[in-house]
Amino acid sequence: DAGVTQSPTHLIKTRGQQVTLRCSPKSGHDTVSWYQQALGQGPQFIFQYYEEEERQRGNFPDRFSGHQFPNYSSELNVNALLLGDSALYLCASSFGTGYEQYFGPGTRLTVT
Amino acid sequence: RKEVEQDPGPFNVPEGATVAFNCTYSNSASQSFFWYRQDCRKEPKLLMSVYSSGNEDGRFTAQLNRASQYISLLIRDSKLSDSATYLCVVNPGAPLGTYKYIFGTGTRLKVLA
Repeated sequence: DAGVTQSPTHLIKTRGQQVTLRCSPKSGHDTVSWYQQALGQGPQFIFQYYEEEERQRGNFPDRFSGHQFPNYSSELNVNALLLGDSALYLCASSFGTGYEQYFGPGTRLTVT
Repeated sequence: RKEVEQDPGPFNVPEGATVAFNCTYSNSASQSFFWYRQDCRKEPKLLMSVYSSGNEDGRFTAQLNRASQYISLLIRDSKLSDSATYLCVVNPGAPLGTYKYIFGTGTRLKVLA
């Protein structure tokens, strides 16, 4: 049973560029949440997708957008990258809401 | 006041010791609580859900105190492999119209040989 997978593992971009990160949820899960984790901090909630709709959003600017596909996989897009966007981006999947979330290995984004 | 607060540590304890972490949360109506473990540069892994009645899994015991709005994690007979950062997580829950996990900054534990 495959767990949550994310791609790519690492990414280096320059300021102003755009990036797309991908996530496949654990088998049987229908909800995907995205988090940003800066060094030394806990993960911060970006948004959650369920039934291909953004159900809730954290305190992140509109440069951060996402999508969920009919197979429940998801993408996170970040436009106009800033140095401060450098972080570990984590995807978590769950079955519905209020249930345990399982995290993928993350994508480490470095913006130079 | 932060929504979820933890002592960042580090807690340095000898092998075999018992160690406890607390975590306080600000929203008294929060529904779900969890402890995650995160190794350096890895993803968080679910350690335990925290139930109102408390729960135990081997050497790990989690407690919830709704009156004082904190959860705790007790680790008995610490092993070197327990060295990690322990993240406290609160999910306010669907009745409050929120589905997100709110993380603390984590407590670092180092078990010494």
